[in-house]
Amino acid sequence: DGGITQSPKYLFRKEGQNVTLSCEQNLNHDAMYWYRQDPGQGLRLIYYSQIVNDFQKGDIAEGYSVSREKKESFPLTVTSAQKNPTAFYLCASSIMSNQPQHFGDGTRLSIL
Amino acid sequence: GESVGLHLPTLSVQEGDNSIINCAYSNSASDYFIWYKQESGKGPQFIIDIRSNMDKRQGQRVTVLLNKTVKHLSLQIAATQPGDSAVYFCAERSGGSYIPTFGRGTSLIVHP
Repeated sequence: DGGITQSPKYLFRKEGQNVTLSCEQNLNHDAMYWYRQDPGQGLRLIYYSQIVNDFQKGDIAEGYSVSREKKESFPLTVTSAQKNPTAFYLCASSIMSNQPQHFGDGTRLSIL
Repeated sequence: GESVGLHLPTLSVQEGDNSIINCAYSNSASDYFIWYKQESGKGPQFIIDIRSNMDKRQGQRVTVLLNKTVKHLSLQIAATQPGDSAVYFCAERSGGSYIPTFGRGTSLIVHP
């Protein structure tokens, strides 16, 4: 089945550590996105990429980094500069701007 | 999984009732609207969309109504079932942008 796969489902970070969240899609979508979700809030955009080897900052990019070396992959690194990383992270993709985004099932990141 | 519905507006209904979930938007240039359903511990799932040249669109047991005059969107779920219990988000896009704006969501609780 086509879809978006996020891994791991749960992740723990120690102080001063960088961690990378994986997002893979086999939908042949050009655009991919990373969102952060906190309890009781809407989705906030971290980074997005419309094509391979290109990406743009979203509303809350500080403390995060991404790469888009392949069309199907858009990993997110949560760096030690992100002081409040505990959240639910969602990856999404879309074929074009006037089509809905498809979401993965998220990664829950917690601090040890 | 952990709930994403903490501190959200909540709608409680009895099984078999019709549910109406509302969403207000502020951007008069928005031309594409989407409803998502998010179950606890999972990513948002596409339900239905509507473009600004329409006032109403129906799917299976769901209807979306768009009132551009007052910038209001609603999702109607007929014969609500316990499996409909989830958080429902609206999202809007404007001018061909890839990036939607998400609402905070409404938590729907269906009592058997």
